[in-house]
Amino acid sequence: GENVEQHPSTLSVQEGDSAVIKCTYSDSASNYFPWYKQELGKGPQLIIDIRSNVGEKKDQRIAVTLNKTAKHFSLHITETQPEDSAVYFCAAVITGGSYIPTFGRGTSLIVHP
Amino acid sequence: EADIYQTPRYLVIGTGKKITLECSQTMGHDKMYWYQQDPGMELHLIHYSYGVNSTEKGDLSSESTVSRIRTEHFPLTLESARPSHTSQYLCASSGRGYEQYFGPGTRLTVT
Repeated sequence: GENVEQHPSTLSVQEGDSAVIKCTYSDSASNYFPWYKQELGKGPQLIIDIRSNVGEKKDQRIAVTLNKTAKHFSLHITETQPEDSAVYFCAAVITGGSYIPTFGRGTSLIVHP
Repeated sequence: EADIYQTPRYLVIGTGKKITLECSQTMGHDKMYWYQQDPGMELHLIHYSYGVNSTEKGDLSSESTVSRIRTEHFPLTLESARPSHTSQYLCASSGRGYEQYFGPGTRLTVT
């Protein structure tokens, strides 16, 4: 089955710095890659996603890049703010299959004011 | 804001008790899921359903059971709670797309 590795497990940055979280996947059939943000006391919420026919996608301060050949994708957050502090999960989905995402283990991002 | 609800939000219960964690969604989604989230953050799929009268076990072995009698309702039951069941339980649903909508979670402590 699919296996998703996520690094780092913890990331500490100063406000205004950039943050990058990296994930790799094993199954070349995976073609949809969502990123979820989980704030304290809440469930995860989708913040951005990318499909395999696209190499990069941006939404304001967040962007995701995908390298299908290397089977890795990354989340980039620029100009970090304290409210970006949360746990971030990457995931890989084989569309047309079970619809069930394989999640990475999560990254705890801490943004220091 | 997703319309998916979980009750109770927090539960402390003694060993051996039977408990049911409730999950409801008002989006008409066919697919629903239960995840167990350990203190290390990792999400483990324990049950899922593709529609009414459909239930499947997930990747993580669990002593819980689920039912799906109505589209909007997907309760999870533990017949006899044990301290090893202490965890955060997250319910999610998805519709035609691949995005999962998560509830706020139930934090269960078994003493």
